[in-house]
Amino acid sequence: DQQVKQNSPSLSVQEGRISILNCDYTNSMFDYFLWYKKYPAEGPTFLISISSIKDKNEDGRFTVFLNKSAKHLSLHIVPSQPGDSAVYFCAASEIDGNQFYFGTGTSLTVIP
Amino acid sequence: NAGVTQTPKFQVLKTGQSMTLQCAQDMNHNSMYWYRQDPGMGLRLIYYSASEGTTDKGEVPNGYNVSRLNKREFSLRLESAAPSQTSVYFCASSEAPGANYGYTFGSGTRLTVV
Repeated sequence: DQQVKQNSPSLSVQEGRISILNCDYTNSMFDYFLWYKKYPAEGPTFLISISSIKDKNEDGRFTVFLNKSAKHLSLHIVPSQPGDSAVYFCAASEIDGNQFYFGTGTSLTVIP
Repeated sequence: NAGVTQTPKFQVLKTGQSMTLQCAQDMNHNSMYWYRQDPGMGLRLIYYSASEGTTDKGEVPNGYNVSRLNKREFSLRLESAAPSQTSVYFCASSEAPGANYGYTFGSGTRLTVV
């Protein structure tokens, strides 16, 4: 069963507005989370991470929020740019785990 | 700076044929991974190698074998390809196993089994 879920397969946003991508997980032992970005015909590239000791982490236009009680994290992109159009994967792991579990991805389209 | 290199980029196989997907990293990483990506399924771990000389099964190992040839190279073998193995395969590496070390991915191998 999928331990990490991204329930929105796609999202369209106007350039300059906020993009919010959501991710839910079921394993309460997960305590480290990553977001990856993937362009067509390329491998995923690391975007931003957060550990369970924090509830927010920022890197430029990208902010990840973690709600451990709800087992939910979200990625905010402000302002959105056309170059942000890609598939975004969230991934989760136990801190001493040997692997990350990935969600199914959300395809973001930023409309100029 | 190549990072993680996968070969081939594309492959078409007939059912029952065998092939090996190659992966090499030049970052002196200890851990390497093979994932497959399927529509609606995300990335699923096939096998991983936490360090040179060790390999372990992931979520979906059936029908695959792996070899950690040396610290740089980690190959994935399909002994008898099946249409269900049509997928995009990604190799990744990390400095060490564990959540504090993010992955660097290769650009993928698109495999079609007919």
